[in-house]
Amino acid sequence: GAGVSQSPSNKVTEKGKDVELRCDPISGHTALYWYRQSLGQGLEFLIYFQGNSAPDKSGLPSDRFSAERTGGSVSTLTIQRTQQEDSAVYLCASSRGTDTQYFGPGTRLTVL
Amino acid sequence: QKEVEQDPGPLSVPEGAIVSLNCTYSNSAFQYFMWYRQYSRKGPELLMYTYSSGNKEDGRFTAQVDKSSKYISLFIRDSQPSDSATYLCATLYSGNTGKLIFGQGTTLQVKP
Repeated sequence: GAGVSQSPSNKVTEKGKDVELRCDPISGHTALYWYRQSLGQGLEFLIYFQGNSAPDKSGLPSDRFSAERTGGSVSTLTIQRTQQEDSAVYLCASSRGTDTQYFGPGTRLTVL
Repeated sequence: QKEVEQDPGPLSVPEGAIVSLNCTYSNSAFQYFMWYRQYSRKGPELLMYTYSSGNKEDGRFTAQVDKSSKYISLFIRDSQPSDSATYLCATLYSGNTGKLIFGQGTTLQVKP
């Protein structure tokens, strides 16, 4: 079956611009996660959605980062006023509850 | 100090060698441990999953957890060029959420 998909696969933007990254989880998965992977920092948790519960935003690095999940399915991660240090691969994962997380291929963000 | 520490390598071995990958963690409350494999330009995929202390074997792969020393290991026997990837150790932050804490990842190259 279809896995987690993310779009775009690559995004190049200028410093100060806003970007939106999209994640389509596996159908039927109630949990959705965003992680960021950068050189020197490894893979860091950003935000977690579980069903209709309030999201766990404890990993968001600043208030420029936000995410929403519409209809319990698709999620969008928004970064406002991008900075060069935001350059990284943004990974989305989904799971049934707290079971195995399945990752998408990621969006490679480059901020010039 | 990071909650999960992993030597980033890179590690280069000849085909057929036994590979040992290791991580340490700081919080004795962690109980669930995973190893993910990530090929270049792909998302991580779950390789092994262990709970508490002990060993778990799956084909050429063995995962080991030593809670007394807060040390987790992944052994690969008869390594193959197709094993060349980045290996990430991870732990579940708590049983109530799926939030994962990752090590930095070790890049492995198996030379034919």
